[in-house]
Amino acid sequence: GIQVEQSPPDLILQEGANSTLRCNFSDSVNNLQWFHQNPWGQLINLFYIPSGTKQNGRLSATTVATERYSLLYISSSQTTDSGVYFCAVLPFSVLTGGGNKLTFGTGTQLKVEL
Amino acid sequence: EAQVTQNPRYLITVTGKKLTVTCSQNMNHEYMSWYRQDPGLGLRQIYYSMNVEVTDKGDVPEGYKVSRKEKRNFPLILESPSPNQTSLYFCANSPGTSGFYEQYFGPGTRLTVT
Repeated sequence: GIQVEQSPPDLILQEGANSTLRCNFSDSVNNLQWFHQNPWGQLINLFYIPSGTKQNGRLSATTVATERYSLLYISSSQTTDSGVYFCAVLPFSVLTGGGNKLTFGTGTQLKVEL
Repeated sequence: EAQVTQNPRYLITVTGKKLTVTCSQNMNHEYMSWYRQDPGLGLRQIYYSMNVEVTDKGDVPEGYKVSRKEKRNFPLILESPSPNQTSLYFCANSPGTSGFYEQYFGPGTRLTVT
């Protein structure tokens, strides 16, 4: 099956710093999403971005589908940004009979300190 | 407001006592699915449903049942829970079944089976 690798696995930032999280995937995808799992365990949708660039406030994301990677940018980080960031993909090969199952990466654990 | 609700949010139960985790969405979405999240194993799909009365197994269906009698509801049934079903459970949904849609996750249900 498709492999999804995220880096770095852990990241500690001072409040106000910027960061870039990376997601590499091993096959062509028709769906790529970024999620934030907060300390209470909730999965928050950040971006649906199978290709191109999107921005939402301090967050932005870019997916280069032809090179099989996606980047999540966090600017001016805040303590509320702490948690785990997941990249999840749905490969083209799953479209038929695959149940639209998202394959999640192992995540980047982010801690933002004062 | 578009939302996905799960109940209960937290549950501690004993081995063998049947339980149901409900999932309800008010977005008129066709596709619904269940995932479980475990440390070191990530998120794994349990069951999914492409439409009313259409359900199918995901990667880890053993010990679970589902039903889809109405479009909005997709309950997860544990007939005889065991300690290895202790996990964080998420219900997900998307507008269509083609795989080209963003998926939305419920707030999660933290289940402990003793």
